[in-house]
Amino acid sequence: SYVLTQPPSVSVAPGQTAKITCGGNNFGSKSIHWYQQKPGQAPLLVVYADSDRPSGIPERFSGSNSGNTATLTISRVEAGDEADYYCQVWDNSNDHAFYVFGTGTKVTVL
Amino acid sequence: EVQLLESGGGLVQSGGSLRLSCAASGFTFRSYAMGWVRQAPGKGLEWVSGISGGGSSTNYADYADSVKGRFTISRDNFKNTLYLQMDSLRAEDTAVYYCVSVYYHNSGYSLFDYWGQGTLVTVSS
Repeated sequence: SYVLTQPPSVSVAPGQTAKITCGGNNFGSKSIHWYQQKPGQAPLLVVYADSDRPSGIPERFSGSNSGNTATLTISRVEAGDEADYYCQVWDNSNDHAFYVFGTGTKVTVL
Repeated sequence: EVQLLESGGGLVQSGGSLRLSCAASGFTFRSYAMGWVRQAPGKGLEWVSGISGGGSSTNYADYADSVKGRFTISRDNFKNTLYLQMDSLRAEDTAVYYCVSVYYHNSGYSLFDYWGQGTLVTVSS
């Protein structure tokens, strides 16, 4: 089964760039999605299919996927970006569909 | 506006049962696959179960290994409601349970595009 590993925490000053990695075994051609979760709230999809943004998500959020590492980049970080971020992948091999989330990264805005 | 409203959470003893409900509105419920994702206190997200959409009389369900054989997902397309029957509950099932709508893309990926606010299930040992 998949294991998606993220750094537990990332700290960044306002206006700077935060990069959050998601490492997995055998990503292959699988698409990675990213969710933002603020304290006491439900997760919110911020990047899907490696690098696309849902409507309403600022362009400051971007993603990439290369080899066995996907990256969520938050440019010009704002205080409101402080949250937990999770990557996610879907697998439907062997007639059994399942979803895996990354271990999560807490982004702290200094 | 899409809304997913969970209910049915609460305190239950180990070995007991609970049924969660999720009332959906703002979209054509029967056409969408749905699911449940949970989050233990202070922990990360864990997919629990999913059920197919499409309006067929036959729904296909999948479960995480951690709940297989104990939890049952179902849906009532007339009531626009998703359910999760949880039996043989364990302390490790304690979590906030989120109802989610599932999006599939024909290029071969799937994600959770809408989330409810969650309902807390506490299993006491």
